[in-house]
Amino acid sequence: QLQLQESGPGLVKPSETLSLTCTVSGGSISSSSHLWGWIRQPPGKGLEWIGTISYSGSTSYNPSLESRVTMSIDANQFSLKLTSLNAADTAVYFCARHFGVYDFWSDSGFYYYMDVWGKGTTVTVSS
Amino acid sequence: DIQMTQSPSTLSASVGDRVTITCRASQNIGFWLAWYQQKPGKAPKLLIYKTSTLQSGVPSRFSGSGSGTEFTLTISSLQPDDFATYYCQQYNSFSFYSFGLGTTLDIK
Repeated sequence: QLQLQESGPGLVKPSETLSLTCTVSGGSISSSSHLWGWIRQPPGKGLEWIGTISYSGSTSYNPSLESRVTMSIDANQFSLKLTSLNAADTAVYFCARHFGVYDFWSDSGFYYYMDVWGKGTTVTVSS
Repeated sequence: DIQMTQSPSTLSASVGDRVTITCRASQNIGFWLAWYQQKPGKAPKLLIYKTSTLQSGVPSRFSGSGSGTEFTLTISSLQPDDFATYYCQQYNSFSFYSFGLGTTLDIK
């Protein structure tokens, strides 16, 4: 059974860089029909997609964060770096597998929904 | 970018009630919509993908419908375990995913 586990610092100072890792177990990270992503949730608020990466290293980022985000992938883990942190980046950060389904009806390619999530890690930005 | 609008933001209901949550997309997303359930302190759980396909293990009282820009999640007979927050999410594009702001379902 596939499991994802986030790891990283719980407290980061303003203006510093956050580095988080998601470790994948019980399955392969190298499948061509899966993508891997990060989502965050500020306290008391909704879910915000941060970015997604394929095993080949192709990435897509939320335009609102793109200038500060870098994702990478390797072996059985993928990572997130978020620079220039401020209080608004305080959130629970989740990693998730994106499961791909091919649209044979329109032959328009794969579409990916988030089927397996990590439990999340709380990140607080404070001096 | 595609924006997702959910309504209502809060819904009060009783065990046994039938409830419906609506999600609207700012542009046509075909059938590429998922619904998630989240309980306090937990990760979101996938309920439905491709508008109406139940994820394995999800009770049949949950159902989804719609296409294009308007979608609904229906719970046919609320159970105590169903009181939670529900999010819709579009996945029409590899390059941008977006969620609705959520609907909190609480006990009347």
